Amino acid sequence: AQKITQTQPGMFVQEKEAVTLDCTYDTSDPSYGLFWYKQPSSGEMIFLIYQGSYDQQNATEGRYSLNFQKARKSANLVISASQLGDSAMYFCAMREEFGSGNTGKLIFGQGTTLQVKP
Amino acid sequence: DAGVIQSPRHEVTEMGQEVTLRCKPISGHDYLFWYRQTMMQGLELLVYFNNKAVMDDSGMPKDRFSAKMPNASFSTLKIQPSEPRDSAVYFCASSSTGTRPSTDTQYFGPGTRLTVL
Repeated sequence: AQKITQTQPGMFVQEKEAVTLDCTYDTSDPSYGLFWYKQPSSGEMIFLIYQGSYDQQNATEGRYSLNFQKARKSANLVISASQLGDSAMYFCAMREEFGSGNTGKLIFGQGTTLQVKP
Repeated sequence: DAGVIQSPRHEVTEMGQEVTLRCKPISGHDYLFWYRQTMMQGLELLVYFNNKAVMDDSGMPKDRFSAKMPNASFSTLKIQPSEPRDSAVYFCASSSTGTRPSTDTQYFGPGTRLTVL
């Protein structure tokens, strides 16, 4: 069965420093997508970054980058130059690809709460 | 683009009452998902639609929950009768079938916070 594990319930980082949020996954499907979402205290779910299982390069989106290590089944989120507005809950999610009977639904980890200190 | 729209944003009701949550997906998206978020269970998929047809409702308690998508721009999630354990944040998300299925990102609405007393 598919599973996403985020082992860090809470993290602290100093403003302007970089921080890595861990995510490991388990799947037997050769084709899958990995996502990170941000949930601030206001509650909305904000898409941050995507990595496909066949992508050759690690994904980057502005200050966000995804450290994808396929053999280790890890997809860690790196936030560079942390800002106070980065304080939020961060969720890692995985999706089997559409087709071959896969549902395409997202499986979420339990989340990591990030606090950025001024 | 207005994004995914959900209503109401907050709902407080009493046990046994009927509750209807509404969702308008992003225009042009052909997939619609209903998720529920609780402290204990985290985020879990209840049901999803493709082109208005239910594709997977295995996560939805069918004795009291029902989901419909009468047209491409509107979906409802109904709970009847509601119970205190249904208290949660309910998210609607939508996505589209791209040329590369693996890049189909689900965009979430703001959620409906439901409290059943």
